[in-house]
This record gives sequence, structure tokens and C-alpha cells, in this order.
Amino acid sequence: AQSVTQPDIHITVSEGASLELRCNYSYGATPYLFWYVQSPGQGLQLLLKYFSGDTLVQGIKGFEAEFKRSQSSFNLRKPSVHWSDAAEYFCAVGDGGYNKLIFGAGTRLAVHP
Amino acid sequence: DAGVIQSPRHEVTEMGQEVTLRCKPISGHNSLFWYRQTMMRGLELLIYFNNNVPIDDSGMPEDRFSAKMPNASFSTLKIQPSEPRDSAVYFCASSSPAMGQPSNQPQHFGDGTRLSIL
Repeated sequence: AQSVTQPDIHITVSEGASLELRCNYSYGATPYLFWYVQSPGQGLQLLLKYFSGDTLVQGIKGFEAEFKRSQSSFNLRKPSVHWSDAAEYFCAVGDGGYNKLIFGAGTRLAVHP
Repeated sequence: DAGVIQSPRHEVTEMGQEVTLRCKPISGHNSLFWYRQTMMRGLELLIYFNNNVPIDDSGMPEDRFSAKMPNASFSTLKIQPSEPRDSAVYFCASSSPAMGQPSNQPQHFGDGTRLSIL
């Protein structure tokens, strides 16, 4: 069955430091992959998506993600974190028809000044 | 463009009362999803619709939960009778028609309804 694993429940980084959030998926075919961000009290907002083509995908707010088929990974990166990036981040894989998504458990990011 | 609109944003009610949550998807979207989010269980998919038809309701926790989509611009999630363990944030999301198989359109989320059952 399809699944998404986010190994890190909590991550703390200093403002200005680089960030990498890990995501591993299990999917039988070419995956459609997404990263979402959830700020406190808000819904999930799409950061970026991967369907095909270039394996390095650019998103909003300065985020990027790299699809690595050999590692079944889709890690999210940002070169310099801002305090406003503190939020929960969810990785998801498209699950067949009707645009259903399988979500990971999320990674909560804290940013120290 | 207006995003997914959910109402109410907050609901506090007593155990045993009926609760109705509402969702207006983005115009032109034909898939609609209801989720529940709690600290203990994370984000759970309850039910989803395509072209107003329920496709999979296997995530609905109990018969106390029901969902309808009478038209393309409105959906409700009802809990009757409500219980304290139903307290959670409920999200609605919608997506535009899929471009082939497998589906590849992202979901767009509302800001949620924070439900507290006393």
C-alpha cells in the first residue's frame, strides 16, 4: 500500500541556517508528490509539487524539493530559514484517482532567533 | 479568487447536540475532501466526493458521522449525537478535475472548523 514517512517529528533550527526536511514514500508507479505547510490556526497551504521532468522543484517562500527515485525520497530544503517559517510541514503522495492524497505525519519546525 | 470557505470557524457545543459543519469548495473544482486533525491521530481523511458523489467514506469513524454534497458548491459534515472525543479541527479541501490517471491535481484547503464538544 502507498505510504509516506516523515522520520523527523520535530526539528529546531536557528534563523538563517539551512533546512532539510525528509520525506520517503512508497508507491508502485511514478509518484505525484507534494509538500504542504500549516501555520498555527490555518489550513494546509501547497508549497510545491512534483509530477515529472526536472527532479529539482521550486516552490513558494524560497523552498525547493528534490525527487530521488533511487532513494524513494522527496526532501524539502531551504537555504536560509526565517522565523516566519516556523510551522508544520506535510509531505504527500497522490493516491490513484480523484486526487486523493496520502499524507505523512508531519514535521514540526521551530526556529530559534 | 476565493479559496475554500468553511463555516463556522469555531464551534463549542455540549455533548449530545447535533453539529453541522459547512464547506464551499473553489468554483470549478469537482473533488471535495473532509479531514479531521487531532494531536493524537494527526490528519485523517474522513470522506471524499467526486462530482458530488461520495467515493470513499471508509474514514468516517462511526455512524454518528454523515456527509452530503447536494450540489457542486456546497457540502456538509454532520455529527449526531456529538461526543467529547469528536473535538478536533475539521478541514475541507477541494481539487480541480484530474488530468488523466493517476490524478495529479493538488488539494486546496480551507482554514478549518475548530470543534469543541463539552
